Amino acid sequence: EADIYQTPRYLVIGTGKKITLECSQTMGHDKMYWYQQDPGMELHLIHYSYGVNSTEKGDLSSESTVSRIRTEHFPLTLESARPSHTSQYLCASKSHGGEHNEQFFGPGTRLTVL
Amino acid sequence: QKEVEQDPGPLSVPEGAIVSLNCTYSNSAFQYFMWYRQYSRKGPELLMYTYSSGNKEDGRFTAQVDKSSKYISLFIRDSQPSDSATYLCAMRVTGANNLFFGTGTRLTVIP
Repeated sequence: EADIYQTPRYLVIGTGKKITLECSQTMGHDKMYWYQQDPGMELHLIHYSYGVNSTEKGDLSSESTVSRIRTEHFPLTLESARPSHTSQYLCASKSHGGEHNEQFFGPGTRLTVL
Repeated sequence: QKEVEQDPGPLSVPEGAIVSLNCTYSNSAFQYFMWYRQYSRKGPELLMYTYSSGNKEDGRFTAQVDKSSKYISLFIRDSQPSDSATYLCAMRVTGANNLFFGTGTRLTVIP
C-alpha cells in the first residue's frame, strides 16, 4: 500500500507570507511529483524529481520552488503567497524500476490565500 | 484542443446500476491508461491500470481501451453508494513520466 503523506492538509494564509508544503513517502520511490488541481480542471504537473538533487519544472508554470535533499522528502515552497495560488496541491511518487507502475498520490494540501 | 477529454458530469445513478465512464484522447502515442478514484477532500487513488488495448477486470470494475477510436471506458457493475466519488482518467506514453489527466467525472450512487 502506498504511504505518502502531506502536511498541512489545509492552510489559510495571508498574502505575502512564505509557505512550505511538505510531502514525504516511505516507499523509497525515486520519482516524486507535485500537481495543482483546481475545481473542474484536470491535474497539472508543476514540478517533478527523478531523485536526490534532481528537480524539474512541469508543464504548468508555477511560481513555487521545490527541493529534493532526501529521497523521501519533496517540499514545495512559495516565497510570497498570493490569492492566485489558492488551489489544491497534490504530491505523488512512483518507483523507478519497470514500465508497469504508476503514480501514487498523497491526500493533498488545500491552500487558501486571502 | 485538450489531450484528454472527459465529461465532468455530474452523474447520478441508483444503487445497483451499471455505470459507464468514458474518456477520449488525441495523442495516438498514449500506451498506458489509468483510472483514478478521488473521494472528496482526498488525493486520487489508482483504481485500474491498462497497457495498450483490451479489457481488464477487477471485481466490479472493468476498464476497456479502444486505441483505434482513442477511447477508454470504465464500467462499474452493481454500483454502491461507496462508489460515489470523482473518477479521473489518465494516460501517458511509453517511457514518459508525465500523466495527462481528464477533468474527472463526479459520480453519485443513490441508495
